[in-house]
Amino acid sequence: AQSVAQPEDQVNVAEGNPLTVKCTYSVSGNPYLFWYVQYPNRGLQFLLKYITGDNLVKGSYGFEAEFNKSQTSFHLKKPSALVSDSALYFCAVRDWDGGSQGNLIFGKGTKLSVKP
Amino acid sequence: GAGVSQSPSNKVTEKGKDVELRCDPISGHTALYWYRQSLGQGLEFLIYFQGNSAPDKSGLPSDRFSAERTGGSVSTLTIQRTQQEDSAVYLCASSPGHVPYYEQYFGPGTRLTVT
Repeated sequence: AQSVAQPEDQVNVAEGNPLTVKCTYSVSGNPYLFWYVQYPNRGLQFLLKYITGDNLVKGSYGFEAEFNKSQTSFHLKKPSALVSDSALYFCAVRDWDGGSQGNLIFGKGTKLSVKP
Repeated sequence: GAGVSQSPSNKVTEKGKDVELRCDPISGHTALYWYRQSLGQGLEFLIYFQGNSAPDKSGLPSDRFSAERTGGSVSTLTIQRTQQEDSAVYLCASSPGHVPYYEQYFGPGTRLTVT
């Protein structure tokens, strides 16, 4: 079965330090991976995606993510965190070839808290 | 341009009543999705529409839930005989098509509270 795991409920980082939000996935077909961010009382905003090609994907607001096929991971990273990055982050996967109709499957989310 | 809009933003209803939630997708987007976000269950897929094809209803939790999409644009999610466990934020998303490389654009959600 397809699944996404975000092993950390919360990540705490000091402003200016690098941040990593972890995500691992399990699919039977080719993975199509996405990161979304949700600010309080708002919908989800798309950050970046991996479809194919370079394993390092760059997205909005200075975020990037590294696709690692052998470790089935797609960790979100940013070299220098801002207080305004504090939000809820969701990793999602589409298992297009695996018979799940290609629907997005979300992780449970990781709350990022960046302190000044 | 205009994003995905949803109405109402908040809805409080009594147990047993029916509710309708509305979603206006981004103009030209042929794929439309409904999700439910709750504390205990995270983000759950409910249903999607792609063009004129039959919708994928595989995520609807019970037959009290239904959705329609009129004219390939606006969609309405209806919950009949609401229960307290239906309390959640209902999110709508749209994308240019139901293909793997398109991201989905989300609306702000409707917060449903069943008392």
